[in-house]
Amino acid sequence: EVQLVESGGGLVQPGGSLRLSCAASGFTFSNNFFIWVRQAPGKGLEWVSVIYTSYVTYYSDSVKGRFIISRDNSKNTLYLQMNSLRPEDTAVYYCATDIGLSGTTDYWGQGTLVTVSS
Amino acid sequence: DIQMTQSPSTLSASVGDRVTITCRASQSLSGWLAWYRQKPGKVPELLIHKASSSQSGVPSRFSGSGSGTEFTLTITNLQPDDFATYYCQQYSSHFTFGPGTKVDVK
Repeated sequence: EVQLVESGGGLVQPGGSLRLSCAASGFTFSNNFFIWVRQAPGKGLEWVSVIYTSYVTYYSDSVKGRFIISRDNSKNTLYLQMNSLRPEDTAVYYCATDIGLSGTTDYWGQGTLVTVSS
Repeated sequence: DIQMTQSPSTLSASVGDRVTITCRASQSLSGWLAWYRQKPGKVPELLIHKASSSQSGVPSRFSGSGSGTEFTLTITNLQPDDFATYYCQQYSSHFTFGPGTKVDVK
């Protein structure tokens, strides 16, 4: 069974840092690209970052220079290092991947909530 | 960066209705367009990929069409489970989501 389980969310002060993890199982992790998507309370979906099997990465303009996506194929785990956090980064963060070779993301984790507040 | 718009932002409908949602991109997507449904408090579900290909297990009442910069999602015979928010997503150049269309009860 395919599973993506995010962890690492919580309450952090503005300017602080947090590292999210996404533990994957049920498929060959190293063969897949992964994205992070966030959803602020009551708002829509926002793509945050992508990492490909080649380790090439891209970021949305809203997080570029502050967030770092990475992967550890030996641990089947995806990460999102979030630095210089702002109140507008408050959101549920989802990791997602393409299992069925649709070209986009067909499996999503349940999400982890990040709250940036003093 | 590719920008996405959706219309309408809200749509009121009844069970059994046929509804259509439109998504427009700021540049050609070469068909790399997906549709998701997100029920309240739930994770988004992929409905359509490559503009018109149905994801495995998705009911046949969902269909997608379009090309270039304009795409549509059509739901025929709307079911209670379909009162939700729908997002288009481009994956031609990285990823971008549309702002969403909420389908609520008339």
